[in-house]
Amino acid sequence: DIVMTQSPDSLAVSLGERATINCKSSQSVLKSSDNNNYLVWYQQKPGQPPQLLIYWASTRASGVPDRFSGSGSGTDFTLTISSLQAEDVAVYYCQQDYATPLTFGGGTKVEIK
Amino acid sequence: EVQLVESGGGLVQPGGSLRLSCGASGFTFRNYWMLWVRQAPGKGLVWVSRINGDGSFTTYADSVKGRFTISRDNAKNTLYLQMNSLRVEDTAIYYCAQSTGGGLGDYWGQGTLVTVSS
Repeated sequence: DIVMTQSPDSLAVSLGERATINCKSSQSVLKSSDNNNYLVWYQQKPGQPPQLLIYWASTRASGVPDRFSGSGSGTDFTLTISSLQAEDVAVYYCQQDYATPLTFGGGTKVEIK
Repeated sequence: EVQLVESGGGLVQPGGSLRLSCGASGFTFRNYWMLWVRQAPGKGLVWVSRINGDGSFTTYADSVKGRFTISRDNAKNTLYLQMNSLRVEDTAIYYCAQSTGGGLGDYWGQGTLVTVSS
């Protein structure tokens, strides 16, 4: 199984400041057939289901604000919130959809400092 | 607008069974893979199972293989998860999700809570 490791477990960022979340996979999730990284990011606000933010490591889902960006390739990935807003308080999960079993990182809780 | 509504959760004793349903609307159900993902109280997300559009291909997490069965009725726009031999560790919110490629959740339902306890 591909193990997904997120860091940090939690972080507190001032409004308007940058938040950076890291995700590492135990093996590459780059598919050579299409040159896409099969790495997904979700946002889960308290009491709500997850919401898709980014797929293929860096493609924003429809309606996602451009302050959210994803980067990385192979085994190391980053989710960046360029200017944290109050509504971004949530837990963020990475997930690999390269192979079954589909696996998630443990989550990173983002709070306001 | 895509809508997914789970139902069928509740309290069940260890060893018991439940069938979860997920009613879908706002998209052509038969064209999409569907996923079940669960989340134990206060914990992270765990993939459970997935099924392709015509129901001919299914996969399961090892933790539920042989106990859970995913299925779909495209005429009723409904996804199912039959859960047998339930264990305390199966206690979780169960979410269904629409999936374009079979590997990620584009849209998610609000979830249904399954509690396995004596």
